[in-house]
Amino acid sequence: EPEVTQTPSHQVTQMGQEVILRCVPISNHLYFYWYRQILGQKVEFLVSFYNNEISEKSEIFDDQFSVERPDGSNFTLKIRSTKLEDSAMYFCASLLERTGGIEAFFGQGTRLTVV
Amino acid sequence: GDSVTQMEGPVTLSEEAFLTINCTYTATGYPSLFWYVQYPGEGLQLLLKATKADDKGSNKGFEATYRKETTSFHLEKGSVQVSDSAVYFCALRSMEYGNKLVFGAGTILRVKS
Repeated sequence: EPEVTQTPSHQVTQMGQEVILRCVPISNHLYFYWYRQILGQKVEFLVSFYNNEISEKSEIFDDQFSVERPDGSNFTLKIRSTKLEDSAMYFCASLLERTGGIEAFFGQGTRLTVV
Repeated sequence: GDSVTQMEGPVTLSEEAFLTINCTYTATGYPSLFWYVQYPGEGLQLLLKATKADDKGSNKGFEATYRKETTSFHLEKGSVQVSDSAVYFCALRSMEYGNKLVFGAGTILRVKS
């Protein structure tokens, strides 16, 4: 079964450092997303990406965040200067519309710990 | 904007009990609806989905029916197992610009043997 792959599975970084979280979506999917989940809390939408541009972003997705799909396969989330409150599980998802419905799949997540 | 409301947990049941987790939504148009499950220490897995009114999604003994008249998508299982202990998230695919998935807050299910 096709799957969304995220790396690394766990990243520890110092406050103020830049981090890049990587995702390989399912190859024929067209919509891509980043979500985050602070420990024990709700899954929060960060950003959606379609046709090589951001289609929507949440209030959380401020100037410290950026996304790229540099080579047509990887989909990255960059946090420019991490803060303690950025510690969370970050999930990448990809979605395909097809006849009969849609399919949305999530990766296993990257646990980001900012110290 | 679009939103999903789930019953608060945790829900604690004995093995073989009947499970219902309520989910209602507010949305523009006719969104697709999903249930995702998150087992301890793992990511989000799609459990089932429904794309139009009166559709029933089912998987692993779980079922949910898309009720447009009550804007609901309640999750049910006839006989839960200890291995069903997890967090269950109801979600919709927004028809608003961006087509994002909107999640409920999640419901913790604990099944005791």
